[in-house]
This record gives sequence, C-alpha cells and structure tokens, in this order.
Amino acid sequence: QVQLQESGPGLVKPSETLSLTCTVSGGSITTYYWSWIRQSPGKGLEWIGYIYYTGSTDYNPSLKGRVTMSVDTSNDQFSLILTSVTAADTAVYYCARRPPGYYSNYGKTYYYHYMDVWGKGATVTVSS
Amino acid sequence: SYELTQTPSVSVSPGQTVMISCSGDALPIQYAYWYQQKPGQAPLLVIYKDSERPSGIPERFSGSSSGTEVTLTISGVQAEDEADYYCQSTDNSGTYVAFGGGTKLTVL
Repeated sequence: QVQLQESGPGLVKPSETLSLTCTVSGGSITTYYWSWIRQSPGKGLEWIGYIYYTGSTDYNPSLKGRVTMSVDTSNDQFSLILTSVTAADTAVYYCARRPPGYYSNYGKTYYYHYMDVWGKGATVTVSS
Repeated sequence: SYELTQTPSVSVSPGQTVMISCSGDALPIQYAYWYQQKPGQAPLLVIYKDSERPSGIPERFSGSSSGTEVTLTISGVQAEDEADYYCQSTDNSGTYVAFGGGTKLTVL
C-alpha cells in the first residue's frame, strides 16, 4: 500500500523560502503525477501544483513565480519550494498522488485530476 | 481563476439521506471528485469521475452529475460521516484545478 510522508521545517521566516519533501513508500514514483495542496488554518483546500515523474510541472497561476517542484525518482521523493513567503502561506501542506489517465469529451481530451493517496500533512508556520 | 460553489453547512439525523451539491460552469465537460475530511486528518477520496467509488468506501456514498451541478449523496447517514466534504474539478481548459469551499456535515 502506497504511503506518502511530508517532511521539512515547521517554521519559516517571512521573505524566506519554504522547502518540503514528500517521500513515497510502498510503491514507485514512476507513472504517476504528484501533487501539493495546502490548507490555511480554518480554511479550505488550495491546489499548489503537480509534477509528473518525468519532471514536467503545472502550477496554480496564483502562486506562479514563487513555486518550483522537482522530482527525484532514484529516491522516490518529490519536493516543493515556495519563495518569498508571508504569513498568508501559513498552512498545512499535503502531498498527494494523482493517477494518470484521460478521457474525451466534445472532441477534446482531458486528464483525470483526482488525488487518491494523501500524506498526513506538514504544518508550516511563517513567522519571525 | 475557476470557482466551485458549495453550501457551507448541512445537518441531518442519523439514518437519513443527505445531498451535498457543488456547482461550476465547467462541470458539464469536466469530471468532479469528492473528498471527506475529518478534523486533524488528511482528505480522503470518496467519489471520483462524478460517480465512481474507490475501493473501501461504503456503498452509502454515491455521486451524480447534471449540467453545471454535481451531487454527493450519503444514504443512511452514520455518526462517523460527520466531516467536511469538498468537491474538486478543473476549468474548461482542463488545466486549472479548483476545490469547492467545503460543506460541513453535522450529524444531529
């Protein structure tokens, strides 16, 4: 059974860089897309972005310019870097697995975007 | 950005049926997915591709789609179903991922 585990500093100073890693165990990192999602205190879920095991990425436009994701297939890990953080970036950060697959509708091809396995989450506080 | 709209809260007595809805302009062409989140826990996928149920999810959870609205139905609600429920989908381009604001289900 695949399990995901987030790791990284729990406290980051304003204007500095947040860095988190997700380790995949019980399965291979290949074939799948890997996601980061965050949840601010008392709020809903916000998609940060995806990285495919090949290294291709897709980011939430609202965070573009500050987000970078990378993947290390030899160690079954993927990472998130978020620069220039502010208090608004304080959140629980989740990593999750997104299965591959696509479907056609009205002559166009779309990809599935559900996330079937989630990590327990890492709390990151931005404060001086 | 793309928005999915959910009713903030709903309450139901044990054994009854509850329907939680989610609306979005792209839902006629994009699949919707539903997650259950209990306090202090990560979200759990309960419905994918509008109406399919992952292995291990009880049969009382079902999903449906009609036009710009998708619905999560829980039949015979149990106390353990008390949680926040989030819908998720993508915009018309299939690129931008959005979550609904969540619906808090209270079991009376």
